[in-house]
Amino acid sequence: QVHLQQWGAGTLKPSETLSLTCAVYGGSLSAYYFTWIRQSPAKGLEWIAEINHSGATEYNPSLRSRLTISVDISKNQFSLRMTSLTPADTAMYYCATSPKDNVAYFQRWFDPWGQGTLVSVSS
Amino acid sequence: QSALTQPPSVSGAPGQSVTISCIGTYSNIGAGYRVHWYQHLPGRAPKVVMYGDHNRPSGVSGRFSGSKSGTSASLAIAGLQSEDEADYYCQSYDNSLRVWVFGGGTKVTVL
Repeated sequence: QVHLQQWGAGTLKPSETLSLTCAVYGGSLSAYYFTWIRQSPAKGLEWIAEINHSGATEYNPSLRSRLTISVDISKNQFSLRMTSLTPADTAMYYCATSPKDNVAYFQRWFDPWGQGTLVSVSS
Repeated sequence: QSALTQPPSVSGAPGQSVTISCIGTYSNIGAGYRVHWYQHLPGRAPKVVMYGDHNRPSGVSGRFSGSKSGTSASLAIAGLQSEDEADYYCQSYDNSLRVWVFGGGTKVTVL
């Protein structure tokens, strides 16, 4: 059973860069897509980006210009970098996985999720 | 504003049944994309309770059931128990927005 553990800075100032990392335990990275999702009172749950073990990426078009998602196979980790933060980026950020096998690409769900990292952007 | 529309709250007495609706459009649910449901307890990671419209993961109570028709989907909880109190979210894919989308969430209260 895959288990995720995430970490990263929680309090940032406008214009700074957010860096989050998620470690994957108990599963082969080749079997999953790796995703970042955030939740804010204003926008609810919002899919941010994903990557697979080969490094193929997909980004939310509304955030793409500020995002970089990466994977480190040797450490069983994947990371998110978001630049030019504003208070609107204040949210709980979750990492999650979704299965690659036996599921059509656009029919996927997210399971499991990490415990979440509360990110607050304020001057 | 979420791409999928859910009622903010539903409630029922212990033992009763509740149904949570998830209304989409022809670019998401109506386009044939499957609907998945998550249970979110305070301070916990969201957990999938229904995937692929009507499939229940192992370990999820048989009191949970899912359905889909046209541009909408539903999650039903039968025999409501106090442990079912949580926020529930639906999720699908939207081919116009080109992202996976979520509902705004429904708070289930056991009276």
